[in-house]
Amino acid sequence: EDQVTQSPEALRLQEGESSSLNCSYTVSGLRGLFWYRQDPGKGPEFLFTLYSAGEEKEKERLKATLTKKESFLHITAPKPEDSATYLCAVQEEGGSYIPTFGRGTSLIVHP
Amino acid sequence: SQTIHQWPATLVQPVGSPLSLECTVEGTSNPNLYWYRQAAGRGLQLLFYSVGIGQISSEVPQNLSASRPQDRQFILSSKKLLLSDSGFYLCAWSVTRSDQPQHFGDGTRLSIL
Repeated sequence: EDQVTQSPEALRLQEGESSSLNCSYTVSGLRGLFWYRQDPGKGPEFLFTLYSAGEEKEKERLKATLTKKESFLHITAPKPEDSATYLCAVQEEGGSYIPTFGRGTSLIVHP
Repeated sequence: SQTIHQWPATLVQPVGSPLSLECTVEGTSNPNLYWYRQAAGRGLQLLFYSVGIGQISSEVPQNLSASRPQDRQFILSSKKLLLSDSGFYLCAWSVTRSDQPQHFGDGTRLSIL
């Protein structure tokens, strides 16, 4: 069973159509949860770190939230340039500092 | 600020040939360094990580090896490439023993013919 599961695998939106991506995790204790954006042919670009339930971080049209079992990446009024794969990674408390990555959500925003 | 450089960006190699991919980090000291392989739709597979010069941990037994000859240099190698070694290889760094995120290079697309 995967420790980090992202859904949906793929999402197509119209420009301006807000939505959310989900990252659920099953580690016993969370040290940190990271969101990344990855463009085709490029390395993941760090977006946010969340450490505790209830925490929220925002950057432009993106807002990341965290509960005890999952995180959401909310995209408000997306634009075509928001098209990318979004990766979530979880660092387990008490374990290795190496995070476990989900498989990502591929987002396409149509103009 | 810290930067990570990875090269080459693309590489086409014949089966059985050797491989050397290089990654260097600037602007930080004693980073943790990582090599990942990313297959389409399958997420990031950790291959090797290093917490210091000459210290390499392997996560997946395979045809590849890694070395860290200097504090901020990480090299991925193979003596004889296999078709299954094709993929997108990513180098990353992070602060040692920290809850800070990893930061990635732009990757190398490796095609084996």
